Amino acid sequence: DGGITQSPKYLFRKEGQNVTLSCEQNLNHDAMYWYRQDPGQGLRLIYYSQIVNDFQKGDIAEGYSVSREKKESFPLTVTSAQKNPTAFYLCASRIRGEQVEYFGPGTRLTVT
Amino acid sequence: QQQVKQSPQSLIVQKGGISIINCAYENTAFDYFPWYQQFPGKGPALLIAIRPDVSEKKEGRFTISFNKSAKQFSLHIMDSQPGDSATYFCAATPTGTASKLTFGTGTRLQVTL
Repeated sequence: DGGITQSPKYLFRKEGQNVTLSCEQNLNHDAMYWYRQDPGQGLRLIYYSQIVNDFQKGDIAEGYSVSREKKESFPLTVTSAQKNPTAFYLCASRIRGEQVEYFGPGTRLTVT
Repeated sequence: QQQVKQSPQSLIVQKGGISIINCAYENTAFDYFPWYQQFPGKGPALLIAIRPDVSEKKEGRFTISFNKSAKQFSLHIMDSQPGDSATYFCAATPTGTASKLTFGTGTRLQVTL
């Protein structure tokens, strides 16, 4: 089955802890993206990567970090510096140069 | 200039009715306009998309109408069904290898029996 997988589906953490969200794709897509979704605010871009070992900040990168060591994988770390980390996090990918973007199933992170 | 404004925020339509969601943009470099459908707890899925060289695109019960001069586009869902109840996002992006999607804020559609 080709697609984007995100794990886990639900994640709970205590305030002050860093947490890493997984995103893997076997679509052979070059570009990968992380979005944050909050009620009534649509999707906001956190980080994106066009190729391996390269990534750029999106609109709301503060308090987040990423790595892109493999084409298939683009993990997102939510650090303790992120003031309001509780949200639904979505990973997406596309073929570089094309405009169609495909989304994973999402991870709901709750920080208390 | 990067914004895409979407309305309404929520919509209730009776079964069999027509659902209409509107979006407006400012950036004239946008040349690809997709609509995504998202069910609760799931990731968005591409529903239908249009480029500005056509004024309308239809796929089954879903139609995009595009008005280039007004910089507006809309999604029409004909014969709306309870299974269409979901959140719908419009988006826009320019051409380019580093292009990014700009999303509207979403419309929560509820189709009642």
